[in-house]
Amino acid sequence: QSALTQPASVSGSPGQSITISCTGSSSDVGDHNYVSWYQHHPNKAPKLMIYDVTKRPSGVSNRFSGSKSGNTASLTISGLQAEDEADYYCSSYAGSSNYVFGTGTKVTVL
Amino acid sequence: QVQLVESGGGVVQPGRSLRLSCADSGFTFSSYAMHWVRQAPGEGLVWVAVISYDGSREFYADSVKGRFTISRDNSMKTLYLQMNSLRAEDTAVYYCAREVVIAAFDYWGQGTLVTVSS
Repeated sequence: QSALTQPASVSGSPGQSITISCTGSSSDVGDHNYVSWYQHHPNKAPKLMIYDVTKRPSGVSNRFSGSKSGNTASLTISGLQAEDEADYYCSSYAGSSNYVFGTGTKVTVL
Repeated sequence: QVQLVESGGGVVQPGRSLRLSCADSGFTFSSYAMHWVRQAPGEGLVWVAVISYDGSREFYADSVKGRFTISRDNSMKTLYLQMNSLRAEDTAVYYCAREVVIAAFDYWGQGTLVTVSS
């Protein structure tokens, strides 16, 4: 199973919106509405930000939103804040009890 | 509050074995499927293995199939990863994670570092 493709880095100024793409295939992202997104600060446990493509867990800011079109999922962070600076990973169910993560995107707040 | 704590990492020679543990506190461990995910130095997250809530089913990434075994003891609220025939490319921080709904991992441990080196 190949990793989902994400841009290596995305940056934005405080208050701006940014979008991170996550491109898979018809076997994973395109075939299942089980895409999730994780925020990962160095030396910390990853944090679930979005699941089932668009759902936000309790406690996650509504500045984070998810969407999907075909084989590509996206995470949008609106009203960018300094605390949003982290690595972000998408993940998808790939069928037959297989799972795949994205290559990861480093978000920098300018 | 849910807390997952991994242990068992360390430095091991190629070809040797290591067993990781992940102890739960604070939630109904036996109700959830559990996963191992790893992150090699400078690399991204990679899914390793999953075990069903009752331990009856287990699945693995191709890269570890036949070498790693995931298991659990629900009475002890502990998840395990037995790693055999270790290779340099298995060097990584290993995380355990709870699958709250399909392919969504809501609780993670802090990770335990495994270094395979001679």
